[in-house]
Amino acid sequence: DAKTTQPPSMDCAEGRAANLPCNHSTISGNEYVYWYRQIHSQGPQYIIHGLKNNETNEMASLIITEDRKSSTLILPHATLRDTAVYYCIARTLLYGTSGSRLTFGEGTQLTVNP
Amino acid sequence: EAQVTQNPRYLITVTGKKLTVTCSQNMNHEYMSWYRQDPGLGLRQIYYSMNVEVTDKGDVPEGYKVSRKEKRNFPLILESPSPNQTSLYFCASSRDRAQETQYFGPGTRLLVL
Repeated sequence: DAKTTQPPSMDCAEGRAANLPCNHSTISGNEYVYWYRQIHSQGPQYIIHGLKNNETNEMASLIITEDRKSSTLILPHATLRDTAVYYCIARTLLYGTSGSRLTFGEGTQLTVNP
Repeated sequence: EAQVTQNPRYLITVTGKKLTVTCSQNMNHEYMSWYRQDPGLGLRQIYYSMNVEVTDKGDVPEGYKVSRKEKRNFPLILESPSPNQTSLYFCASSRDRAQETQYFGPGTRLLVL
């Protein structure tokens, strides 16, 4: 499994962009980077995922470095409702089966301040 | 509304008293799984199921059982709960085994005395 490393906490001003970093230096070539978030003990919510190229959807943008050893999740205009724990996950393939596993670490507690 | 539901949401029980936490999804998803979340340990997968009658162990399966008799339901069974199973439990589903996007239930908070 590729281990991911995230800062335990970050702060962001409301209306500004929130940039959440993630290191995954041992990621293999066929592992995707996923981002989920969890608001106050609710069920985690999918945000975005990518393999090599940068990705954007209605929630966020994902920037993956060329060597794929790190990535950044960008919330372009953070709101108070974006306060949550954000998880960066390397998608692991289970060899010998047809399934895959998402391994959640401790994540980054993002606090958006008024 | 597409959703994953869990019941009960909160449960207090005593050691050794069998319990079942139900999970149901209305999205016709093939893949379902159970996670537990504990402070300092993040979310850990307990069991998963790739389709009806197909289940397999995750990272922390000891003390748990599951069944998948219908596509929509994936109950988690604790035959003889112990205090170390006190945790926050989440059920999740996704369209298929590729797990492009997992949808999580609201969680079940379990306390075993």
